[in-house]
Amino acid sequence: GAVVSQHPSRVICKSGTSVKIECRSLDFQATTMFWYRQFPKQSLMLMATSNEGSKATYEQGVEKDKFLINHASLTLSTLTVTSAHPEDSSFYICSAWTSGRETQYFGPGTRLLVL
Amino acid sequence: EDKVVQSPLSLVVHEGDTVTLNCSYEVTNFRSLLWYKQEKKAPTFLFMLTSSGIEKKSGRLSSILDKKELSSILNITATQTGDSAIYLCAALNAGNNRKLIWGLGTSLAVNP
Repeated sequence: GAVVSQHPSRVICKSGTSVKIECRSLDFQATTMFWYRQFPKQSLMLMATSNEGSKATYEQGVEKDKFLINHASLTLSTLTVTSAHPEDSSFYICSAWTSGRETQYFGPGTRLLVL
Repeated sequence: EDKVVQSPLSLVVHEGDTVTLNCSYEVTNFRSLLWYKQEKKAPTFLFMLTSSGIEKKSGRLSSILDKKELSSILNITATQTGDSAIYLCAALNAGNNRKLIWGLGTSLAVNP
């Protein structure tokens, strides 16, 4: 299957700092990448859809100035959580769309803990 | 509004049992239905179903789509403790920038 990597897998940071999470499609080109957030025992919540070379489309209620998304190439998208607060602590997961198989493949996720 | 409903929400069985997980959808411009398995990390892809009535199989797992009933089932035969996970179903709206509409998942626990 298609491989998607995320880095880092786990990060602990102080309140007020910014954290960047990378999502890479390793063996295919992804014109579209998605960023999700998941709280314990809850389903995936889509935060934004990122198309290569254009601005991300954010879901209602997601602050675009707080969660900066950049999709600079067909294999890389980044999510930056700016001025992180404890309530931003969560599991962040990216997925990449492969049009060849018409499905989304997920990265392994990043656990963010803001102290 | 598009929605996907999974049932049951939670299931506890013994090793060796067979389970059937259900997923129903109401999605405009429906294109396909996907099943994922989520253990402690991110979801892993199981099946994508586009055509009605054609069973997809992978080992002890199988799935089928019924477009008339707007539903799909995921079967797991001879369950093992390693099958314990949350099983997520998602529907693709072809007109919606490839966004998936997610169900809440079925939490399956297989006891030895």
